[in-house]
Amino acid sequence: ELKVEQNPLFLSMQEGKNYTIYCNYSTTSDRLYWYRQDPGKSLESLFVLLSNGAVKQEGRLMASLDTKARLSTLHITAAVHDLSATYFCAVDTSLIQGAQKLVFGQGTRLTINP
Amino acid sequence: NAGVTQTPKFQVLKTGQSMTLQCAQDMNHEYMSWYRQDPGMGLRLIHYSVGAGITDQGEVPNGYNVSRSTTEDFPLRLLSAAPSQTSVYFCASTQGGLAGGRNEQFFGPGTRLTVL
Repeated sequence: ELKVEQNPLFLSMQEGKNYTIYCNYSTTSDRLYWYRQDPGKSLESLFVLLSNGAVKQEGRLMASLDTKARLSTLHITAAVHDLSATYFCAVDTSLIQGAQKLVFGQGTRLTINP
Repeated sequence: NAGVTQTPKFQVLKTGQSMTLQCAQDMNHEYMSWYRQDPGMGLRLIHYSVGAGITDQGEVPNGYNVSRSTTEDFPLRLLSAAPSQTSVYFCASTQGGLAGGRNEQFFGPGTRLTVL
């Protein structure tokens, strides 16, 4: 059974600081996704990582994928309050490429304080 | 483009009742999925579909049925509601394929279901 584990599960940080969220998974996959969820809202797609060594950046967020280590990271640079949310990673286990049969991590609740 | 729509937004059921959660997308996506999200947890896949007429089970399929008669619609049926099915339900769709970054999955706004 595939396990996807995120850490930390809770993160409180100051504005302007850098931090990294880790996503470990237990089976071979080269397709990993990051999502953001605001309280009471749906999920918003952040990054799609489709190969070993993939790196994507959008604003203060950067995601990377190491399929050999079965590890993805979400790095936050110079955090701002607007980035407060819950972040999920998800691993695609589908045999059909692109079908997105996803297994999610537990989520990391990020709070950024002024 | 409405994207992925779900109805109802909120629902309260009594144990043993049945109901159908509706999901529709207007993006002509081949792949559609249903997830449930319990407090403090990530999403868990209930059922998914790779095209009209084709469905398969996810992690937690027991107590739920699906069908996909059209590309646009993917309803989720609760056969006999139980308190353990109290959750937030999300429908999602994706075009599929990996080239050109067309792999983004779009989520609906969710249905908040309480079973008493």
